[in-house]
Amino acid sequence: DQQVKQNSPSLSVQEGRISILNCDYTNSMFDYFLWYKKYPAEGPTFLISISSIKDKNEDGRFTVFLNKSAKHLSLHIVPSQPGDSAVYFCAASGPGGGADGLTFGKGTHLIIQP
Amino acid sequence: KAGVTQTPRYLIKTRGQQVTLSCSPISGHRSVSWYQQTPGQGLQFLFEYFSETQRNKGNFPGRFSGRQFSNSRSEMNVSTLELGDSALYLCASSTLTVNTEAFFGQGTRLTVV
Repeated sequence: DQQVKQNSPSLSVQEGRISILNCDYTNSMFDYFLWYKKYPAEGPTFLISISSIKDKNEDGRFTVFLNKSAKHLSLHIVPSQPGDSAVYFCAASGPGGGADGLTFGKGTHLIIQP
Repeated sequence: KAGVTQTPRYLIKTRGQQVTLSCSPISGHRSVSWYQQTPGQGLQFLFEYFSETQRNKGNFPGRFSGRQFSNSRSEMNVSTLELGDSALYLCASSTLTVNTEAFFGQGTRLTVV
């Protein structure tokens, strides 16, 4: 049973437009959410995170929105740039400081078209 | 500040063999987690070590084991390798827990033939 789901395996967006990546989760015990970006042959790179006590966190071009009632979060990238082309993973952790590890979605491949 | 270092980067083993992977976390980071990435299953949590103690283990068979040394370096061992163990093995380090930013290494690509 997949507790973190990224239902879009790929997403194509024009350069300069907004990219919106979505993530749904089923475990209501998750209280911390993170987004990672991964290029081929590299490890995931941390992008942005959000605690369950917030509904929005912004860092430069990246904004994460959390809707706890819908168990849904999204990552907005504005404006999208060619270097943003990568696989984006949504991850979640539960109470206890994440000692259960991060639970990852299967990723969304974002392609930024010129 | 040096990043997370994983060695070796690539490894080819035959079925039935055993393998040891190494991870050196970022200096000062005491938490080291291991993940397996496969195309079908995505990133799956293997185990996490903190101060030489395994705090939790994911849903993997006992053939997968690990340890952490006093300098926070960690090793992961897989015994009696199976074809399905072919994957990218990623190590992540963080200061206290994975609820903070976890920094990943580049991974070890293991191929079992």
